[in-house]
Amino acid sequence: IVLTQSPGTLSLSPGERATLSCRAGQSVSSSFLAWYQQEPGQAPRLLIYDSSTRATGIPDRFSGSGSGTDFTLTISRLEPEDFAVYYCQQYGSLPITFGQGTRLDIK
Amino acid sequence: QLQLQESGSGLVKPSQTLSLTCAVSGGSISSGGYSWSWIRQPPGKGLEYIGFIYDIGSTYYNPSLKSRVTMSVDRSKNQFSLKLTSVTAADTAVYYCVRGGGSSWYRGGFFDHWGPGTLVTVSS
Repeated sequence: IVLTQSPGTLSLSPGERATLSCRAGQSVSSSFLAWYQQEPGQAPRLLIYDSSTRATGIPDRFSGSGSGTDFTLTISRLEPEDFAVYYCQQYGSLPITFGQGTRLDIK
Repeated sequence: QLQLQESGSGLVKPSQTLSLTCAVSGGSISSGGYSWSWIRQPPGKGLEYIGFIYDIGSTYYNPSLKSRVTMSVDRSKNQFSLKLTSVTAADTAVYYCVRGGGSSWYRGGFFDHWGPGTLVTVSS
């Protein structure tokens, strides 16, 4: 399943709300979609799984929603540490696939 | 706390075999309900899924790499391994070992624990 993330780059200021999109080429089974955050030089970190469940230790300013082919990651109020690259991943069908990423930059 | 750590050759010549091992600590690789995967990321690019294995030796390989990939588990050492044959420059990447969980763990699942990654460069 091809995952297309938009926008490619998002420039916002701390305190603002960020909305990241992940669109699947076909329906993602059982909403098996996850979101990861990757900071430079580090491994990705799991934020959200099963479309809307926050992983352990993830602040509640991160939320996920969606089903079928359209999924969204929302960061309610951006903190300085949130500026990173975000990837979506589907695990409803094999092979597992990732989106190409959205870079969240400080404006 | 579960930790994963990749190790192996950082420089591989073209046409040779890339070999990596992932040591798991803080938990057993034989624990039910988890699979163990490899993911790679070429410099400056996105994430590519390679495949998974789980403790009874069941494997799945991405069709894009299937003909060149072998994964194995060593329960006595609590580690799993990746071999990729006939490498080219296109295989240059940071390679991550990860744990897969959730209700679809047996098909890879989502990845809740990652190793720090190891850079493998293919060059003569």
